[in-house]
Amino acid sequence: QVELQESGPRLMKPSETLSLTCTVSGGSMRSYYWSWIRQSPGKGLEWIGYIYSRGSATYNPSLASRMSMSEDTSMNQFSLKLRSVTGADSAVYYCARIRGVSTGFEVDNWGQGTLVTVSS
Amino acid sequence: DIQMTQSPASLYASVGDEITITCRASHTISTHLNWYQQKPGKAPQLLITAVSRLQSGLPSRISGSGSGTQFSLTINNLQPEDFATYYCQQSFSTPLTFGGGTRVQ
Repeated sequence: QVELQESGPRLMKPSETLSLTCTVSGGSMRSYYWSWIRQSPGKGLEWIGYIYSRGSATYNPSLASRMSMSEDTSMNQFSLKLRSVTGADSAVYYCARIRGVSTGFEVDNWGQGTLVTVSS
Repeated sequence: DIQMTQSPASLYASVGDEITITCRASHTISTHLNWYQQKPGKAPQLLITAVSRLQSGLPSRISGSGSGTQFSLTINNLQPEDFATYYCQQSFSTPLTFGGGTRVQ
């Protein structure tokens, strides 16, 4: 059973860079898409992006200009950086595993989520 | 972006009821539609993929239907563990997008 665990700061100040890491245990990172999804009361569930196939990535255009994702398959980890955060970036951040199948992308495994609050 | 609109936003039900949640896509998404269940303080869990494929181990009282732009999730004989929030998600194109959720209480 694959398990995902987010790690990173919980409290940030506006304009800082958010860095989150997801550690994947119990399975290989091969053959899947590895994603970040966030959830805030105001905007519901928002897909941030995914990384796959030795570092290729696709980002949500709404965040693409200030984010990047990376992976370290030797450590079974992938990461998110989000620059210039504001209060609108306060949310629960989930890392997740996505299956790519003929009928699209299915989020079949989620981390427990980590609450990130941006406040001065 | 493909917008996903769920209705109702919330509904009241009792054990044993049948409920139906609808999800409408702003563009046709064929059968690229998934459903998730989320309980308070927990991450969402995948329920149904490709409109109607129930995930392994889940009860058959949960079903999905639809195609194109109109979809629905139905739960028959509602059980206590079914009281949760449900989300649809389109997987037709990126950015992947979710509906606003339906709280079943």
